[in-house]
Amino acid sequence: GNSVTQMEGPVTLSEEAFLTINCTYTATGYPSLFWYVQYPGEGLQLLLKATKADDKGSNKGFEATYRKETTSFHLEKGSVQVSDSAVYFCALRDSSGSARQLTFGSGTQLTVLP
Amino acid sequence: KAGVTQTPRYLIKTRGQQVTLSCSPISGHRSVSWYQQTPGQGLQFLFEYFSETQRNKGNFPGRFSGRQFSNSRSEMNVSTLELGDSALYLCASSLDGRAYTGELFFGEGSRLTVL
Repeated sequence: GNSVTQMEGPVTLSEEAFLTINCTYTATGYPSLFWYVQYPGEGLQLLLKATKADDKGSNKGFEATYRKETTSFHLEKGSVQVSDSAVYFCALRDSSGSARQLTFGSGTQLTVLP
Repeated sequence: KAGVTQTPRYLIKTRGQQVTLSCSPISGHRSVSWYQQTPGQGLQFLFEYFSETQRNKGNFPGRFSGRQFSNSRSEMNVSTLELGDSALYLCASSLDGRAYTGELFFGEGSRLTVL
């Protein structure tokens, strides 16, 4: 079956530090990969996505590259801000089978200190 | 355009009661999915509806049910509530749930507390 493994949190960084949140996946078919972000008290918002190997998704200074050879989709940001404090979820939607639901990782809590 | 709207945002129930949660998708979106979020289990898929038909169901007991109306609005129902049903229930909509490259748009969720 499909699964997503995310780096354990929580992660605490100082403002302007470099961020990496690791994400690896297992899928039957050729999945699309997503990073969602959840701010306190809110639902999930799509941060970025990549739909095929070697695609790079980017948004708001965050980037992630779809690496098929290592089955990874690590999230990076060069300089984090206090406003980036949130929970980040890596997720996939598989192309195979009839199901199209998102399979999520466990989430990584990020706290950025001023 | 308006996002996904979920009601109510917060509710408290006691064990044994039943609850109905509502979701209005983004206009034009025909697929509605429901997810349960808990600290212990994370985000888990409940079910997906498209054109009033349930197309996919997660691994939850029969106490969890849902439906979709002709205007794509959806409801989910949980009967005989248990303490473990306390969670944030998230609704997500998309144009067509079959497009695995497509984004799901989430509402802010309904937070259910079972006492």
